Amino acid sequence: NAGVMQNPRHLVRRRGQEARLRCSPMKGHSHVYWYRQLPEEGLKFMVYLQKENIIDESGMPKERFSAEFPKEGPSILRIQQVVRGDSAAYFCASSPNGLNTEAFFGQGTRLTVV
Amino acid sequence: EDKVVQSPLSLVVHEGDTVTLNCSYEVTNFRSLLWYKQEKKAPTFLFMLTSSGIEKKSGRLSSILDKKELFSILNITATQTGDSAVYLCAVEGGAGSYQLTFGKGTKLSVIP
Repeated sequence: NAGVMQNPRHLVRRRGQEARLRCSPMKGHSHVYWYRQLPEEGLKFMVYLQKENIIDESGMPKERFSAEFPKEGPSILRIQQVVRGDSAAYFCASSPNGLNTEAFFGQGTRLTVV
Repeated sequence: EDKVVQSPLSLVVHEGDTVTLNCSYEVTNFRSLLWYKQEKKAPTFLFMLTSSGIEKKSGRLSSILDKKELFSILNITATQTGDSAVYLCAVEGGAGSYQLTFGKGTKLSVIP
């Protein structure tokens, strides 16, 4: 049973481009969380999804950011028209039941906007 | 706004030393406090604390919560170089009770 897989591990985008970050949860996990870690900051909650549903996106910026977790395939965090301030490490975690104590984190995707 | 503050931000100790990491919080709808170890990249879960005064222990690591004073400590005894990592404190609660609010972490370096 592979762990939570995030890809790519590193992503470089020019300002104005789109960034797509993928998170494949552990087998049997239907709950996914996305967090962002800015330099010198703690992880910040962005969005919580269950299969095909967004449960809570209160931590997500209102514009340019979107997330999905389709019935088949990985969860996707999409950032349109990236800006320098989007440079950060983006982590996802998956859980079988929504409990944080049973959530496993992926290795993260480091996004650099140049 | 919910807040979790960890101290110190970084710490350098010698193998065999005992360390205490601190975490204070202000969170609405508190449910629990969690400690994670972050090596390289992925945070790994260590402890969850929900009740005051009850120590959780795992090998050389132990942790306790004070819900009256709103803080927790993580102790590591007889430190080893493999303990070098960033230790994250997170509180479960806030607007969505499953949300985690993280502190900035304490970077622990254990030197031989």
